Amino acid sequence: EVHVVESGGGLKQPGGSLTLSCAGSGFTFINSGMSWVRQAPGKGLEWVSGFPGGGGSTGYADSVKGRFTISRDNSKNTIYLQMNSLRVDDTAIYYCAKGTSAPDVWGQGTLVTVSS
Amino acid sequence: DVVMTQSPLSLPVTLGQPASISCRSSQGLVHTDGYTYLNWFQQRPGQSPRRLIYKVSNRDSGVPDRFSGSGSGTDFTLKISRVEAEDVGVYYCMQGVHWPRTFGQGTKVEIK
Repeated sequence: EVHVVESGGGLKQPGGSLTLSCAGSGFTFINSGMSWVRQAPGKGLEWVSGFPGGGGSTGYADSVKGRFTISRDNSKNTIYLQMNSLRVDDTAIYYCAKGTSAPDVWGQGTLVTVSS
Repeated sequence: DVVMTQSPLSLPVTLGQPASISCRSSQGLVHTDGYTYLNWFQQRPGQSPRRLIYKVSNRDSGVPDRFSGSGSGTDFTLKISRVEAEDVGVYYCMQGVHWPRTFGQGTKVEIK
């Protein structure tokens, strides 16, 4: 069965840094595009960043460009989201999803809270 | 960025009645591979999003056939032929062609 599992969320102060992880299983990870999507409390879905399948350049939402960096370790079937210069409005559940053009498998999410 | 505009944002529906959600994109959604990457997601209360429809009209495995997607160009529609209690939640369209990917604002479906 195909799964993605997020980890690494927590409470951080504004200006701090945090790295999220997403481990995939049950599919050929190296060939798969992967996305990060977030949802602020009571709000809608916001696509944050992603790798296209088969290689190619990464993409970022304007709201995180220059602060967040996505990376992957195919040997560990894992992608990461390095989040720097955190702001209060980065507070959200962060979901990992398989795919970027039509994300089909989603994790349960990991909560990131940015507060002083 | 491509703006995805959904309407209505709130949709009260009587059980057994049809429902329809519109999604309009600010740019065309045809990829260089020829496919149109317009997707629909359902998010039930307290749950992660779930993909219902991909590439405009393809239903995911396990999705009831009362759900259907249609459209082309910049105008797309999700229809529920007869709403059931388990359909309560928020529905999002999402474009998967242009970077960054973008979602619609969401349409909240509730039972009258």
